[in-house]
Amino acid sequence: EAQVTQNPRYLITVTGKKLTVTCSQNMNHEYMSWYRQDPGLGLRQIYYSMNVEATDKGDVPEGYKVSRKEKRNFPLILESPSPNQTSLYFCASGRTGGGITEAFFGQGTRLTVV
Amino acid sequence: DAKTTQPNSMESNEEEPVHLPCNHSTISGTDYIHWYRQLPSQGPEYVIHGLTSNVNNRMASLAIAEDRKSSTLILHRATLRDAAVYYCILRASWAGANNLFFGTGTRLTVIP
Repeated sequence: EAQVTQNPRYLITVTGKKLTVTCSQNMNHEYMSWYRQDPGLGLRQIYYSMNVEATDKGDVPEGYKVSRKEKRNFPLILESPSPNQTSLYFCASGRTGGGITEAFFGQGTRLTVV
Repeated sequence: DAKTTQPNSMESNEEEPVHLPCNHSTISGTDYIHWYRQLPSQGPEYVIHGLTSNVNNRMASLAIAEDRKSSTLILHRATLRDAAVYYCILRASWAGANNLFFGTGTRLTVIP
Protein backbone atom coordinates (compact mmCIF):
# COMPACT_ATOMS: atom_id res chain seq x y z
CA GLU A 1 0.00 0.00 0.00
CA ALA A 2 1.32 3.44 -0.97
CA GLN A 3 1.88 5.46 2.16
CA VAL A 4 3.81 8.05 4.09
CA THR A 5 4.69 6.82 7.57
CA GLN A 6 5.59 9.07 10.45
CA ASN A 7 6.92 8.01 13.83
CA PRO A 8 6.13 8.54 16.57
CA ARG A 9 2.47 9.54 16.36
CA TYR A 10 2.56 11.16 19.77
CA LEU A 11 5.52 12.52 21.71
CA ILE A 12 5.89 14.45 24.93
CA THR A 13 9.36 15.77 25.67
CA VAL A 14 11.13 18.31 27.80
CA THR A 15 12.70 21.57 26.71
CA GLY A 16 16.17 21.12 25.27
CA LYS A 17 16.13 17.37 24.77
CA LYS A 18 17.03 16.59 21.18
CA LEU A 19 14.47 14.56 19.24
CA THR A 20 13.91 13.19 15.77
CA VAL A 21 10.61 12.57 14.03
CA THR A 22 11.00 10.07 11.23
CA CYS A 23 9.20 10.11 7.88
CA SER A 24 9.35 7.38 5.29
CA GLN A 25 7.57 6.93 1.96
CA ASN A 26 7.34 3.85 -0.23
CA MET A 27 6.36 5.51 -3.52
CA ASN A 28 9.85 6.44 -4.78
CA HIS A 29 8.91 10.12 -4.65
CA GLU A 30 11.57 12.72 -5.24
CA TYR A 31 9.86 15.46 -3.26
CA MET A 32 9.32 15.41 0.50
CA SER A 33 8.28 18.11 2.91
CA TRP A 34 7.48 18.86 6.54
CA TYR A 35 4.59 21.03 7.75
CA ARG A 36 3.39 22.11 11.14
CA GLN A 37 -0.23 22.83 11.94
CA ASP A 38 -1.29 25.20 14.69
CA PRO A 39 -4.78 26.42 15.61
CA GLY A 40 -5.64 29.60 13.74
CA LEU A 41 -2.46 29.46 11.64
CA GLY A 42 -3.20 26.49 9.42
CA LEU A 43 -0.49 24.38 7.82
CA ARG A 44 2.89 26.00 7.36
CA GLN A 45 5.87 24.50 5.61
CA ILE A 46 9.05 23.95 7.62
CA TYR A 47 11.50 22.38 5.17
CA TYR A 48 11.31 20.58 1.87
CA SER A 49 13.54 18.41 -0.28
CA MET A 50 13.53 18.06 -4.03
CA ASN A 51 15.70 14.93 -3.99
CA VAL A 52 18.50 13.21 -2.11
CA GLU A 53 20.95 15.70 -0.58
CA ALA A 54 18.78 18.62 -1.74
CA THR A 55 16.93 20.41 1.05
CA ASP A 56 15.63 23.95 1.43
CA LYS A 57 13.86 26.11 3.97
CA GLY A 58 10.14 26.62 3.96
CA ASP A 59 8.24 29.36 5.72
CA VAL A 60 9.06 28.49 9.35
CA PRO A 61 12.45 26.70 9.47
CA GLU A 62 13.84 28.21 12.69
CA GLY A 63 14.64 25.59 15.31
CA TYR A 64 14.45 22.65 12.91
CA LYS A 65 16.88 20.61 10.86
CA VAL A 66 16.32 18.00 8.18
CA SER A 67 18.40 15.59 6.17
CA ARG A 68 17.78 13.58 3.02
CA LYS A 69 20.41 10.87 2.75
CA GLU A 70 18.07 8.35 1.19
CA LYS A 71 15.18 8.92 -1.17
CA ARG A 72 12.60 7.28 1.05
CA ASN A 73 13.46 8.99 4.36
CA PHE A 74 13.21 12.59 5.48
CA PRO A 75 13.67 12.96 9.24
CA LEU A 76 12.82 16.17 11.10
CA ILE A 77 15.30 17.02 13.85
CA LEU A 78 14.70 19.35 16.77
CA GLU A 79 18.13 19.93 18.31
CA SER A 80 16.84 21.86 21.33
CA PRO A 81 13.05 21.79 21.42
CA SER A 82 11.18 24.66 23.03
CA PRO A 83 7.53 24.93 24.09
CA ASN A 84 6.68 27.04 21.00
CA GLN A 85 7.43 23.97 18.91
CA THR A 86 4.48 22.19 20.46
CA SER A 87 2.42 21.44 17.38
CA LEU A 88 0.99 18.85 15.01
CA TYR A 89 3.53 17.88 12.37
CA PHE A 90 2.89 16.37 8.95
CA CYS A 91 5.26 14.90 6.44
CA ALA A 92 4.34 14.88 2.76
CA SER A 93 5.78 13.38 -0.40
CA GLY A 94 5.13 13.58 -4.13
CA ARG A 95 6.63 13.35 -7.56
CA THR A 96 8.24 16.53 -8.82
CA GLY A 97 6.09 18.08 -11.47
CA GLY A 98 4.47 21.11 -9.93
CA GLY A 99 0.80 21.55 -10.45
CA ILE A 100 0.24 18.30 -12.31
CA THR A 101 1.10 16.09 -9.34
CA GLU A 102 -0.56 15.30 -6.05
CA ALA A 103 0.97 15.20 -2.58
CA PHE A 104 0.58 12.40 -0.07
CA PHE A 105 0.57 13.13 3.65
CA GLY A 106 1.40 11.11 6.72
CA GLN A 107 -0.95 10.68 9.66
CA GLY A 108 0.75 13.32 11.73
CA THR A 109 2.91 13.54 14.85
CA ARG A 110 1.56 15.42 17.81
CA LEU A 111 4.49 16.89 19.71
CA THR A 112 4.26 18.48 23.13
CA VAL A 113 7.30 20.22 24.60
CA VAL A 114 7.08 21.00 28.30
CA ASP B 1 1.81 32.84 -4.88
CA ALA B 2 -1.71 33.65 -5.93
CA LYS B 3 -4.19 33.72 -3.07
CA THR B 4 -7.45 31.84 -2.71
CA THR B 5 -10.55 32.86 -0.75
CA GLN B 6 -12.96 30.35 0.72
CA PRO B 7 -15.86 30.60 3.15
CA ASN B 8 -14.85 29.65 6.67
CA SER B 9 -17.62 27.09 7.08
CA MET B 10 -20.53 25.43 5.32
CA GLU B 11 -23.21 22.94 6.26
CA SER B 12 -24.91 20.29 4.23
CA ASN B 13 -27.51 17.65 4.84
CA GLU B 14 -26.45 14.07 4.41
CA GLU B 15 -26.99 12.62 0.94
CA GLU B 16 -27.42 16.03 -0.64
CA PRO B 17 -24.97 17.67 -3.05
CA VAL B 18 -22.46 20.16 -1.70
CA HIS B 19 -20.89 22.99 -3.67
CA LEU B 20 -17.75 24.40 -2.07
CA PRO B 21 -16.67 27.68 -3.69
CA CYS B 22 -13.20 29.13 -4.09
CA ASN B 23 -12.20 32.50 -5.47
CA HIS B 24 -8.79 33.01 -7.03
CA SER B 25 -8.99 36.23 -8.97
CA THR B 26 -5.19 36.62 -9.29
CA ILE B 27 -4.60 33.15 -10.73
CA SER B 28 -1.94 33.01 -13.42
CA GLY B 29 -2.40 31.23 -16.71
CA THR B 30 -0.21 28.31 -15.67
CA ASP B 31 -1.59 27.73 -12.17
CA TYR B 32 -3.38 24.48 -11.48
CA ILE B 33 -6.31 24.48 -9.06
CA HIS B 34 -5.95 21.78 -6.43
CA TRP B 35 -8.32 20.68 -3.68
CA TYR B 36 -7.28 18.81 -0.58
CA ARG B 37 -9.30 17.88 2.46
CA GLN B 38 -8.37 17.11 6.02
CA LEU B 39 -10.56 14.73 7.98
CA PRO B 40 -10.51 15.02 11.77
CA SER B 41 -7.25 13.74 13.28
CA GLN B 42 -5.75 12.93 9.88
CA GLY B 43 -3.30 14.42 7.43
CA PRO B 44 -4.53 16.28 4.37
CA GLU B 45 -5.53 14.13 1.43
CA TYR B 46 -5.68 14.98 -2.25
CA VAL B 47 -9.17 15.32 -3.72
CA ILE B 48 -8.91 16.63 -7.26
CA HIS B 49 -7.15 19.13 -9.48
CA GLY B 50 -7.69 20.87 -12.81
CA LEU B 51 -6.37 23.57 -15.10
CA THR B 52 -9.15 24.82 -17.37
CA SER B 53 -11.68 22.09 -18.00
CA ASN B 54 -14.08 20.60 -15.49
CA VAL B 55 -12.79 17.39 -13.93
CA ASN B 56 -14.45 14.36 -12.37
CA ASN B 57 -13.03 11.57 -10.26
CA ARG B 58 -14.37 9.02 -7.82
CA MET B 59 -14.34 11.50 -4.95
CA ALA B 60 -15.68 14.70 -6.44
CA SER B 61 -16.09 17.02 -9.41
CA LEU B 62 -14.30 20.28 -10.03
CA ALA B 63 -16.04 23.02 -11.95
CA ILE B 64 -13.77 25.82 -13.18
CA ALA B 65 -15.14 29.14 -14.31
CA GLU B 66 -14.40 30.14 -17.87
CA ASP B 67 -12.21 33.05 -16.73
CA ARG B 68 -10.57 30.75 -14.12
CA LYS B 69 -11.08 33.33 -11.38
CA SER B 70 -13.18 30.92 -9.37
CA SER B 71 -13.86 27.23 -9.01
CA THR B 72 -16.29 24.96 -7.20
CA LEU B 73 -15.69 21.58 -5.64
CA ILE B 74 -18.79 19.44 -5.92
CA LEU B 75 -19.52 16.50 -3.67
CA HIS B 76 -22.45 14.79 -5.33
CA ARG B 77 -23.89 13.11 -2.24
CA ALA B 78 -22.45 14.24 1.05
CA THR B 79 -21.89 11.56 3.64
CA LEU B 80 -20.88 11.90 7.27
CA ARG B 81 -17.40 10.81 6.22
CA ASP B 82 -17.11 13.95 4.09
CA ALA B 83 -17.09 16.20 7.15
CA ALA B 84 -13.67 17.83 6.91
CA VAL B 85 -11.78 21.02 6.20
CA TYR B 86 -11.49 21.55 2.44
CA TYR B 87 -8.56 23.52 1.05
CA CYS B 88 -8.42 25.17 -2.36
CA ILE B 89 -4.78 25.64 -3.41
CA LEU B 90 -3.11 27.04 -6.51
CA ARG B 91 0.00 25.29 -7.77
CA ALA B 92 2.26 26.56 -10.50
CA SER B 93 2.82 24.21 -13.39
CA TRP B 94 6.60 24.24 -13.51
CA ALA B 95 8.40 21.15 -12.27
CA GLY B 96 9.91 22.68 -9.15
CA ALA B 97 6.66 24.12 -7.85
CA ASN B 98 5.83 21.30 -5.48
CA ASN B 99 5.14 23.23 -2.31
CA LEU B 100 1.56 23.55 -1.12
CA PHE B 101 0.41 26.78 0.48
CA PHE B 102 -2.58 26.09 2.67
CA GLY B 103 -5.04 28.78 3.66
CA THR B 104 -7.65 28.34 6.35
CA GLY B 105 -10.02 26.31 4.17
CA THR B 106 -13.74 25.65 4.51
CA ARG B 107 -14.95 23.51 7.37
CA LEU B 108 -17.78 21.34 6.05
CA THR B 109 -20.31 20.02 8.54
CA VAL B 110 -22.60 17.24 7.34
CA ILE B 111 -25.91 17.01 9.16
CA PRO B 112 -27.45 13.53 9.49
